[in-house]
Amino acid sequence: EDQVTQSPEALRLQEGESSSLNCSYTVSGLRGLFWYRQDPGKGPEFLFTLYSAGEEKEKERLKATLTKKESFLHITAPKPEDSATYLCAVQAANNFNKFYFGSGTKLNVKP
Amino acid sequence: GAGVSQSPRYKVAKRGQDVALRCDPISGHVSLFWYQQALGQGPEFLTYFQNEAQLDKSGLPSDRFFAERPEGSVSTLKIQRTQQEDSAVYLCATTRDRGTDTQYFGPGTRLTVL
Repeated sequence: EDQVTQSPEALRLQEGESSSLNCSYTVSGLRGLFWYRQDPGKGPEFLFTLYSAGEEKEKERLKATLTKKESFLHITAPKPEDSATYLCAVQAANNFNKFYFGSGTKLNVKP
Repeated sequence: GAGVSQSPRYKVAKRGQDVALRCDPISGHVSLFWYQQALGQGPEFLTYFQNEAQLDKSGLPSDRFFAERPEGSVSTLKIQRTQQEDSAVYLCATTRDRGTDTQYFGPGTRLTVL
């Protein structure tokens, strides 16, 4: 069964304190792994897509990496405005129509 | 439009009432998805449309849930005889083409069933 697990559930950081969020997955053939940011009361906002092991993508203070079993979202020197819930989703190669989401990591960055 | 819009943003229903939730996609977007997001959880797939065709409805939790997209643009998710367990945020997402990966989400409709 296709499954996505994110850890930790919640993370509190001081401003400038770098850390990583984990997304582990089981899927019958991965087509893509996606990272989204979700602010309270809003829909998820797309951040990255990763397609193959070893791939990395960066955007400002965020960097996403992918292995065959998991993905990491590295946050370097976070700022309070990075506070949000970060969601990971996978898309199976045999069914483009379905995206399986994890429960998210709620990040709180204190000034 | 500039983004995906959903209405109403908030809906309170008494148990047993029927509700209809609307999604206005980005103009020209072919694929449309509905998700259900419970508090503290990630979105869960409900159904998928390619233009007006509903190609996958495997995530609909019961036959009380019905979705349509008759002209391949606006979509409506209808829930009949609402139950308390239906309380959640209902999200709509669209993609430009079939197989395109970037999903653009609307702000969601928060449904509370009393």
